[in-house]
Amino acid sequence: ILNVEQSPQSLHVQEGDSTNFTCSFPSSNFYALHWYRWETAKSPEALFVMTLNGDEKKKGRISATLNTKEGYSYLYIKGSQPEDSATYLCASPTGNQFYFGTGTSLTVIP
Amino acid sequence: DAMVIQNPRYQVTQFGKPVTLSCSQTLNHNVMYWYQQKSSQAPKLLFHYYDKDFNNEADTPDNFQSRRPNTSFCFLDIRSPGLGDAAMYLCATRRGGGVLNEQFFGPGTRLTVL
Repeated sequence: ILNVEQSPQSLHVQEGDSTNFTCSFPSSNFYALHWYRWETAKSPEALFVMTLNGDEKKKGRISATLNTKEGYSYLYIKGSQPEDSATYLCASPTGNQFYFGTGTSLTVIP
Repeated sequence: DAMVIQNPRYQVTQFGKPVTLSCSQTLNHNVMYWYQQKSSQAPKLLFHYYDKDFNNEADTPDNFQSRRPNTSFCFLDIRSPGLGDAAMYLCATRRGGGVLNEQFFGPGTRLTVL
């Protein structure tokens, strides 16, 4: 079992603010890091899959970075919008097993 | 179009009364997962199937069983639900073969135990 941690647990930001949160994972035996977004009453959806140290991925206003040597990934949201309100989960797999963090619940206040 | 479907979305059962949750997929993925998520906690992997091969997590209680009769369907059976089993149950699928393949989730079943 991998110990994956996320912080903060919850976050409230004003519309237009930029924000970021953290996922920490064991740096030994690292294979990949997945980010998912889970909106209320919907299915979690994949945002990014990252494997290489220094990797940076971007989708619209959302981007993520990866540091496999120190075992963390940052998720950034630029100019937050109310539709960004969701829980953001990260997960690290070993083989076919995925181990998730507790998630960061983001609320964007209009 | 829904790709991973879970039924029911909400399930209420009584303490000790067996309950079955179902998951179906149209993606033809060979890996299927069941997760349990309690409030403010991480989704916890209960078990997964790689094709017909069943893989149980070491700390999954014996009270939880699973069946996968074919590629499309997977069931979670809780033989004697306790109050501590109230949670969101998520089903996910994945095309096997590498850690780069993302999971596709259903919307979950919220289980209440009275």
